[in-house]
Amino acid sequence: AQKITQTQPGMFVQEKEAVTLDCTYDTSDPSYGLFWYKQPSSGEMIFLIYQGSYDQQNATEGRYSLNFQKARKSANLVISASQLGDSAMYFCAMREGRRGSSGDKLTFGTGTRLAVRP
Amino acid sequence: SQTIHQWPATLVQPVGSPLSLECTVEGTSNPNLYWYRQAAGRGLQLLFYSVGIGQISSEVPQNLSASRPQDRQFILSSKKLLLSDSGFYLCAWKDPTLVSEQFFGPGTRLTVL
Repeated sequence: AQKITQTQPGMFVQEKEAVTLDCTYDTSDPSYGLFWYKQPSSGEMIFLIYQGSYDQQNATEGRYSLNFQKARKSANLVISASQLGDSAMYFCAMREGRRGSSGDKLTFGTGTRLAVRP
Repeated sequence: SQTIHQWPATLVQPVGSPLSLECTVEGTSNPNLYWYRQAAGRGLQLLFYSVGIGQISSEVPQNLSASRPQDRQFILSSKKLLLSDSGFYLCAWKDPTLVSEQFFGPGTRLTVL
């Protein structure tokens, strides 16, 4: 089974509107971390936001928020007030186990390509 | 502040030729280091990771190898490249003492002809 599933290969959003990018995960470990990265056409991977499995509140970083629904094993990224510069690939990733275990490896999803329309 | 470098940025190599990609990190010590490959339009696949000098863990069977000769240097190698080795190679580092993200380098785009 896929550990990280991103079911939306591509998404469009109108500038200044909000958009939700879906991510579901699969793990039996009670301790894990979830990450979102942005990859512009240049190829660099830019960290956006992190959610720990024991965090009580949803993570927020500026215009980015993570809608963490633990029982449903979903960790959707919400981008508010989309900007043209938000057009990029977005990857969800998971670290299984406590920090420092197994080298803090990340498993990535296949990504969602977001296009922001002016 | 910490920075991560990768070179070369772009590489075109014939099938059967050797490969050496280098990654170095500055401004930190004892980092975890990672090599990922990204096929065109796909997600990232972890190839190798290292938690210390000379300590290499391989995640997928392949004709690539990795080495960590110094604390902040991570090298990806191959003796004979295959067409399937083409892709975008990303190096990343992480501070193992923190609950933090991995920080990625700018990547190397490898084309095997």
